[in-house]
Amino acid sequence: QQQVKQSPQSLIVQKGGISIINCAYENTAFDYFPWYQQFPGKGPALLIAIRPDVSEKKEGRFTISFNKSAKQFSLHIMDSQPGDSATYFCAAKASGGSYIPTFGRGTSLIVHP
Amino acid sequence: KAGVTQTPRYLIKTRGQQVTLSCSPISGHRSVSWYQQTPGQGLQFLFEYFSETQRNKGNFPGRFSGRQFSNSRSEMNVSTLELGDSALYLCASSPGNGNIQYFGAGTRLSVL
Repeated sequence: QQQVKQSPQSLIVQKGGISIINCAYENTAFDYFPWYQQFPGKGPALLIAIRPDVSEKKEGRFTISFNKSAKQFSLHIMDSQPGDSATYFCAAKASGGSYIPTFGRGTSLIVHP
Repeated sequence: KAGVTQTPRYLIKTRGQQVTLSCSPISGHRSVSWYQQTPGQGLQFLFEYFSETQRNKGNFPGRFSGRQFSNSRSEMNVSTLELGDSALYLCASSPGNGNIQYFGAGTRLSVL
């Protein structure tokens, strides 16, 4: 059972464009939603994270939008750059019980110069 | 602070063999988690150790096992390797509450 569904699987955008990656979750106990960025040959690295008490969080060109009622959250990369080309994973975690996040299957982003 | 270190970076084994992977967490981190990453399945959680005890376990067969030492270093063992075990194995450490996990670069295992 896939508890976090991520789309699209792959994404190609032009430099300067907006990249949007969407995730949907099922478990209403999830209360922490991080996004990870992974470059080839490297492990995933935390990019930005949000809790459900806010609807949006922005860090530089990266923004998470969160819709609690729809159980969806998304990552927006503004002014996408070739250096943003990587695989992005969304994840969700519940504070109580297991400390292990559930990951989406990842989105391969390519930004053309 | 040094990051999470995984050794070796690459491994080639044949079916039926066993393999041991090593992970050194960030200094002071007590939680170590292991993941299997494949193109088709993404990041699949294997198990988590906290203070030398397995705290959580994913849905993998018993051929996959692990342990954690008193210095928080962790090892993962896969016995009787199968072709489908070919993957990138990632280790992640966290201080304990698991909110922020710091990943190593992984060990790329190829089973022939």
